[in-house]
This record gives sequence, structure tokens and C-alpha cells, in this order.
Amino acid sequence: QVHLQQSGPGLVKPSQTLSLTCVISGDSVSSNSAAWNWIRQSPSRGLEWLGRTYYRSKWHYGYAVSVRSRIIIKSDTSKNQFSLQLNSVTPEDTAIYYCARSFNGNLDSWGQGTLVTVSS
Amino acid sequence: QSVLTQPPSASGTPGQRVTISCSESNSNSGSDYVQWYQQLPGTAPKLLIYRNTQRPSGVPDRFSGSKSGTSASLAISGLRSEDEADYYCVVWDDTLSGWVFGGGTKLTVL
Repeated sequence: QVHLQQSGPGLVKPSQTLSLTCVISGDSVSSNSAAWNWIRQSPSRGLEWLGRTYYRSKWHYGYAVSVRSRIIIKSDTSKNQFSLQLNSVTPEDTAIYYCARSFNGNLDSWGQGTLVTVSS
Repeated sequence: QSVLTQPPSASGTPGQRVTISCSESNSNSGSDYVQWYQQLPGTAPKLLIYRNTQRPSGVPDRFSGSKSGTSASLAISGLRSEDEADYYCVVWDDTLSGWVFGGGTKLTVL
């Protein structure tokens, strides 16, 4: 049973960096068969995939075009976790952020979600 | 790039059968497989159907999926009040190398 536990601040000021962490239990961030995703949800944009990381002999990263210039996803094998950094945030980045595992072609495990509000 | 179109809302009475459609705009860049997710209020989406028709263990057989060409459907039979939720179709887009979500359908049980 895979469990993803998210943490991070719920309020970020405009132009600053949004940072969230997702701790994995029941699987490994360096698994050769899983990928680790960040997804957000807002009333205006619906569910939006932001990016992912996965390990296949080396680390791979993929990002959505909409945030590619502002996003960094990192993995930390020592803590079995992965993280999201989204730079230069604006109020349009206000959303519920989810981490999720993709395995066998499915987003089969999700974190609990973190509401992040961008406001001064 | 795939765009997935769902009706914004659907409704039914207890015991009825309801279907929710998902139309993919660009089959060339889309996956052969559609997934469906159920999102209950205040919770994360939950995988309901994968590979068009398959149910994960624990999902009741009242839920079923189908796909023909660029259209997929989720059917819920024997509708219950606890089925009231948002439902999303999702595909992997090879061109984007990313997940694409439908806009979601809010199901109301009258």
C-alpha cells in the first residue's frame, strides 16, 4: 500500500517560490517502474499536470509547457521523497496541489492535497 | 495535444444508470487508454477505471468503462447517493509527455 504525505506552506507571497514536499511510504522514489508527479487543481484551470520525475538507470524529469520556465522537481533518495518548486508565483497559481504516483500507466496513488494561496 | 471534453454535469435518481462521456480531440497524440477518476468532495481523485475498461480491486462492478475510437464513456448502474462526486477522464499524451485531464463532470444524485 503506497502512501504519499505532502507538506509545505499554505500561503505564498506573489513573486516568491512555492515549495512542497511529498514523502513516499510503501514504494521507492528510485523505483524503476514508477514515476512521481505533481498535479494542481483550481476552479479556473481544473486538474493540471505540472511535471514528473522518475528513475530509469538515471533521473529523468518532465514538465508541462505552461510552467516549464518556473518549475523544478527534485528527488531525495535519502528521505524517499520528491519536491516541487514553482518560482515567481502569481495569484493564478493559487490551487490545491497534489503529488501522485504513476504506475503501470495509471495515477494510482495520490497525496492528500495542499491548498496553496498566493497572496500578499 | 489531446483535449478531453466532458459534459459539465450529469444527474440521476437512485437505482438509475448514468453514463458520462469523454471525447478526445486528437487521437494521434493521445493514448489508446483512458482512465476515469472519482473525486468526492474535499478529497483527492481516486482511480476508478484504467485501460478503458478495467476496475482496480475494491471498485464495485456498478462502475464500468468503454471506449470506441476517440470517445470513452463511464457508466454507473444502480446509482447511489454516495456516487455523488466529480468524475474525470484522463489520458497520457505522448506528444506532451504528460497527463491530460478532462474538465470533469459533476454527478448529482437527485
